[in-house]
Amino acid sequence: GAVVSQHPSRVICKSGTSVKIECRSLDFQATTMFWYRQFPKQSLMLMATSNEGSKATYEQGVEKDKFLINHASLTLSTLTVTSAHPEDSSFYICSADSVPQETQYFGPGTRLLVL
Amino acid sequence: QQPVQSPQAVILREGEDAVINCSSSKALYSVHWYRQKHGEAPVFLMILLKGGEQKGHEKISASFNEKKQQSSLYLTASQLSYSGTYFCGTSSGNTGKLIFGQGTTLQVKP
Repeated sequence: GAVVSQHPSRVICKSGTSVKIECRSLDFQATTMFWYRQFPKQSLMLMATSNEGSKATYEQGVEKDKFLINHASLTLSTLTVTSAHPEDSSFYICSADSVPQETQYFGPGTRLLVL
Repeated sequence: QQPVQSPQAVILREGEDAVINCSSSKALYSVHWYRQKHGEAPVFLMILLKGGEQKGHEKISASFNEKKQQSSLYLTASQLSYSGTYFCGTSSGNTGKLIFGQGTTLQVKP
């Protein structure tokens, strides 16, 4: 199956700093990449949809200036959490699909803890 | 807009069967099923597309009733490895984005 990687897997940072998370499709070119956030014992909440070379589409309630998404190539998307605060602590997961509207493959996730 | 899953939780003995349901208030293009173990990312199980179909994967199968805007996941002769939280993700359009249900926690005991 298709492989999606994320880096880092875990990060601890101080309040006010920015954190960048990378999402890569390793063996396929991703038409679209998606970013989700998951709080403990809750569902996956879609944050934004990202296409290579264009601006990300953010879901309602997600601040685009706080969660910067850059989709540099067909295999790489990055999410930068700017000026992170403790309430941003969560499990961030990306997914990618190779064929539109078909299977989405998830990365292993990044656990962010903001102190 | 979030699809509703039922039941919220189920406990089984090894070898028993379970059904997890996913209902949407919106017309659906596709339904995706994933299983997530604690602390890990979701793992793809199967996708069902508009047109009403049933799919199988070993002892795990699913159906999609487009008219009723519902999908069901069937787990037969459950194994310990089936334990985890099952999510359905639904797509209503051609953007590919999925909206996930709240999850169903399945625990299989020896």
